[in-house]
Amino acid sequence: AQSVTQLGSHVSVSEGALVLLRCNYSSSVPPYLFWYVQYPNQGLQLLLKYTSAATLVKGINGFEAEFKKSETSFHLTKPSAHMSDAAEYFCAVSPNDYKLSFGAGTTVTVRA
Amino acid sequence: ETGVTQSPTHLIKTRGQQVTLRCSSQSGHNTVSWYQQALGQGPQFIFQYYREEENGRGNFPPRFSGLQFPNYSSELNVNALELDDSALYLCASTHDRGGYNEQFFGPGTRLTVL
Repeated sequence: AQSVTQLGSHVSVSEGALVLLRCNYSSSVPPYLFWYVQYPNQGLQLLLKYTSAATLVKGINGFEAEFKKSETSFHLTKPSAHMSDAAEYFCAVSPNDYKLSFGAGTTVTVRA
Repeated sequence: ETGVTQSPTHLIKTRGQQVTLRCSSQSGHNTVSWYQQALGQGPQFIFQYYREEENGRGNFPPRFSGLQFPNYSSELNVNALELDDSALYLCASTHDRGGYNEQFFGPGTRLTVL
């Protein structure tokens, strides 16, 4: 079975500071990995995905993530936080059958 | 705007009742998945339909059932509602044509069971 663990349920950063959200996965086969963002009272929006191509993946809104097989990690970063980045972020894994297993989520707050 | 819509937006039911939630996908999307997101948690996979047939189920009891229709709409039915069924229900659809194709999520239906 595939699963993900998100380290830290809540992250608080200052506007302009680095955003780092941690995700570790467990999978017996090379997985597809995703980061989604959810704004209050909305559905999920795909930020970026890893599908066995380049290990450094660039997404929307300035986010990027690096797939590290040796560490079974897929951490999400953004160099400079913006107030609009305040939301909940979910890491997810799938064996490419569109059945996603999500982590518990990390809530990001941005301080002015 | 993902092109995936869900209805109703909110719903209140009482324990023991039955509920039907609806999802309308983009034209051509032959795969739809349903997820349950309890408050403060990540979404949990309920089941998936591919070309109108169930194509995998998560750890949910049989009182959760679904249908997918030729017009790219789908339903999630829940019988004998329990208090723990209170959650945001999300549908996600894609056109499975080999390789990886982006899966689009609807805005969800928030179900409250009293």
